[in-house]
Amino acid sequence: GQQVMQIPQYQHVQEGEDFTTYCNSSTTLSNIQWYKQRPGGHPVFLIQLVKSGEVKKQKRLTFQFGEAKKNSSLHITATQTTDVGTYFCAGDTSYGKLTFGQGTILTVHP
Amino acid sequence: SQTIHQWPATLVQPVGSPLSLECTVEGTSNPNLYWYRQAAGRGLQLLFYSVGIGQISSEVPQNLSASRPQDRQFILSSKKLLLSDSGFYLCAWRAGTTEAFFGQGTRLTVV
Repeated sequence: GQQVMQIPQYQHVQEGEDFTTYCNSSTTLSNIQWYKQRPGGHPVFLIQLVKSGEVKKQKRLTFQFGEAKKNSSLHITATQTTDVGTYFCAGDTSYGKLTFGQGTILTVHP
Repeated sequence: SQTIHQWPATLVQPVGSPLSLECTVEGTSNPNLYWYRQAAGRGLQLLFYSVGIGQISSEVPQNLSASRPQDRQFILSSKKLLLSDSGFYLCAWRAGTTEAFFGQGTRLTVV
């Protein structure tokens, strides 16, 4: 079936290092969304990308949507301890069916 | 403004017992509604979603079922819980294909 794959599963970084997580879909997506889940909490929406090749920035976070609308990435520059959590990508694999990637658990060591 | 309510926050149930988790949304009409399950340290598994009353899509064959008795109410049920049903259950709503808003979640432990 249609899947949204995300790598890596875990990422441990020192504070100040950069971090990237990658998302790939087996099918073309109408849009891609990114969420952050803090330990013990629920996922919180970060951003949505719709256009092919789109790039959006939120302070130290840079989001990209691939030209074929099948892949996406989230890059964090100079990580901080507040960036700790699980980052998920999600896409509509059919109308209304929001499928999440497996998530990348980010640990930041001070 | 829109809000989503999900309860209970924590639940401990014996194997073989029934389950009913309720989720309600306020402040919007005809939302898309979702039930996800998350095992410890793992991803979000889509269980059910609904794009309207009477329309329930099931993603994973299992002993769970979902119902949408009202436009803004989504219920997750089981007649007999299994140990493998333990996890963090999250309800979410969306307006169309926009961002998803999640409830606080229910931590279910089947013993």
